[in-house]
Amino acid sequence: LAKTTQPISMDSYEGQEVNITCSHNNIATNDYITWYQQFPSQGPRFIIQGYKTKVTNEVASLFIPADRKSSTLSLPRVSLSDTAVYYCLVGERGSQGNLIFGKGTKLSVKP
Amino acid sequence: NAGVTQTPKFRVLKTGQSMTLLCAQDMNHEYMYWYRQDPGMGLRLIHYSVGEGTTAKGEVPDGYNVSRLKKQNFLLGLESAAPSQTSVYFCASSPGTGWADTDTQYFGPGTRLTVL
Repeated sequence: LAKTTQPISMDSYEGQEVNITCSHNNIATNDYITWYQQFPSQGPRFIIQGYKTKVTNEVASLFIPADRKSSTLSLPRVSLSDTAVYYCLVGERGSQGNLIFGKGTKLSVKP
Repeated sequence: NAGVTQTPKFRVLKTGQSMTLLCAQDMNHEYMYWYRQDPGMGLRLIHYSVGEGTTAKGEVPDGYNVSRLKKQNFLLGLESAAPSQTSVYFCASSPGTGWADTDTQYFGPGTRLTVL
């Protein structure tokens, strides 16, 4: 299983762009990278998934370099409501029992 | 659609008591999961199911049993509760193989369990 490493916490201010990097040095060829967001007292929510290069949706962008040993979740112009824990998961699509939620990155957005 | 629902929302047990947590999903998903989350920790997979009638162990299965008799329901049982099982339990479901969003897990609101 590909192990992931993320910063424990990050601080930002409203309106700034936030980039959260996840390291996954032993990512396998068939592994995808998935990010989830969890607000206090709620279950996690899927944000974005990618395999290589760049993926963008209405919530975030995911940048994956060519060697795929890391990935960066980019949140444009954060607001107070983006304060949450962000989890990076790496695993093969369909390997439902092997996805590991680490401790995640606690993002605090300040006014 | 209600999505994923969990029953109950809160529960307090005494050591040695048993209980069952119910998870229901109305999205016709094939896969279902049970996680536990302890303070300051990420989610740890307890058991999961890739279809009706099938279950498999996750990362921390000891002390728990599960059943998936109906596609829409996934039950988590504690036969003899211990204080170490005090946690927040999350259920999730995902579409399954063959769907574009096969890996997207949809989570329930959680059950906060305290074992005294």
